[in-house]
Amino acid sequence: EAQVTQNPRYLITVTGKKLTVTCSQNMNHEYMSWYRQDPGLGLRQIYYSMNVEVTDKGDVPEGYKVSRKEKRNFPLILESPSPNQTSLYFCASSTRPGNTEAFFGQGTRLTVV
Amino acid sequence: EDKVVQSPLSLVVHEGDTVTLNCSYEVTNFRSLLWYKQEKKAPTFLFMLTSSGIEKKSGRLSSILDKKELFSILNITATQTGDSAVYLCAVVRDDMRFGAGTRLTVKP
Repeated sequence: EAQVTQNPRYLITVTGKKLTVTCSQNMNHEYMSWYRQDPGLGLRQIYYSMNVEVTDKGDVPEGYKVSRKEKRNFPLILESPSPNQTSLYFCASSTRPGNTEAFFGQGTRLTVV
Repeated sequence: EDKVVQSPLSLVVHEGDTVTLNCSYEVTNFRSLLWYKQEKKAPTFLFMLTSSGIEKKSGRLSSILDKKELFSILNITATQTGDSAVYLCAVVRDDMRFGAGTRLTVKP
């Protein structure tokens, strides 16, 4: 089954404790991206990757890191999480941007206390 | 500044009504516009629009893009309670920029 898998689905952590949210896709997609969703603000793109070893900042990259060492994986790293990073996070993948729809993972609800 | 604006932000209708959701944009390097429906969690894909004036249809839903006036509309006819959701539009360049969404509530 074609899918984008995020882990964990829910996470509560403390300020400053490094964490990684994993994202994996099995569709051989070149393009992968991360979003955060906050009430009233819609989905805002954090980082995107056009292919292996190619990453670019989206609208709200501050406080986040990503890497794209393999085509299928695109982890999101919070080196020192803060409460304002409490949000619902989505990973998505597609072939080339604009050519096809983006497939979304099920989301990760992160709470930083 | 690049932006994607959806209107209205929320809408309450009764079953059987027809609704029109709007998405206007000001971006450079436009590739396509996507519509998604979001209920509980992950957005689900509805339409991808790349050319002006070509209507996309799926059942009671349809959408069209106007690249000259820089907007798209999503129409839902004969609404049902199952259409209640947040509808998101996104403009695709190298990045993807979403609007804030329209929350549609369909009452029985």
